[in-house]
Amino acid sequence: AQSVAQPEDQVNVAEGNPLTVKCTYSVSGNPYLFWYVQYPNRGLQFLLKYITGDNLVKGSYGFEAEFNKSQTSFHLKKPSALVSDSALYFCAVRETYSSASKIIFGSGTRLSIRP
Amino acid sequence: EAQVTQNPRYLITVTGKKLTVTCSQNMNHEYMSWYRQDPGLGLRQIYYSMNVEATDKGDVPEGYKVSRKEKRNFPLILESPSPNQTSLYFCASSFSQPNSPLHFGNGTRLTVT
Repeated sequence: AQSVAQPEDQVNVAEGNPLTVKCTYSVSGNPYLFWYVQYPNRGLQFLLKYITGDNLVKGSYGFEAEFNKSQTSFHLKKPSALVSDSALYFCAVRETYSSASKIIFGSGTRLSIRP
Repeated sequence: EAQVTQNPRYLITVTGKKLTVTCSQNMNHEYMSWYRQDPGLGLRQIYYSMNVEATDKGDVPEGYKVSRKEKRNFPLILESPSPNQTSLYFCASSFSQPNSPLHFGNGTRLTVT
């Protein structure tokens, strides 16, 4: 069965430092992988996705994510954190075989950036 | 502006009183879905629709109904709400290709007393 794990409920980083939000997945075949961000009182917003090709994917707001097939991971990264990056982040996976394939979300990681 | 619109944003109701949460998208998306978000559980899919008149159960469909009579609208119906349906609900839509990202509404916070 498909699953997505975000092992950290919360990540705390000082402004200006690099950040990493971890995501591992379990799915048969080759997945599509997504990161979404949720700000207070808002719906989730798409940040970036991995389809195929280059393992380093660049997305919105300076975020990037590294796909590692052998470790079945898709960690979200940013070289220099901003206070405005504080939000709830969700990793999601979808199997590639069909448009009817299910989208599975992780439980979310709250990112807190201190000034 | 491309968007997914949910209404209402906040709803307080009593057990057993039927309610409908509306969802509309203006992006001509084929795929639409409802999720509920609960602390520590992430997003769980309630129902989804691949296109008009094509709906299917997600992971937690019990106590909910949906319909897709028009491409743009995907209402969520709670025929007899119960307190365990108190949650934050999100509607989302996308194109049918599995690599298309979801677009989310701003959510509906439902409280059932």
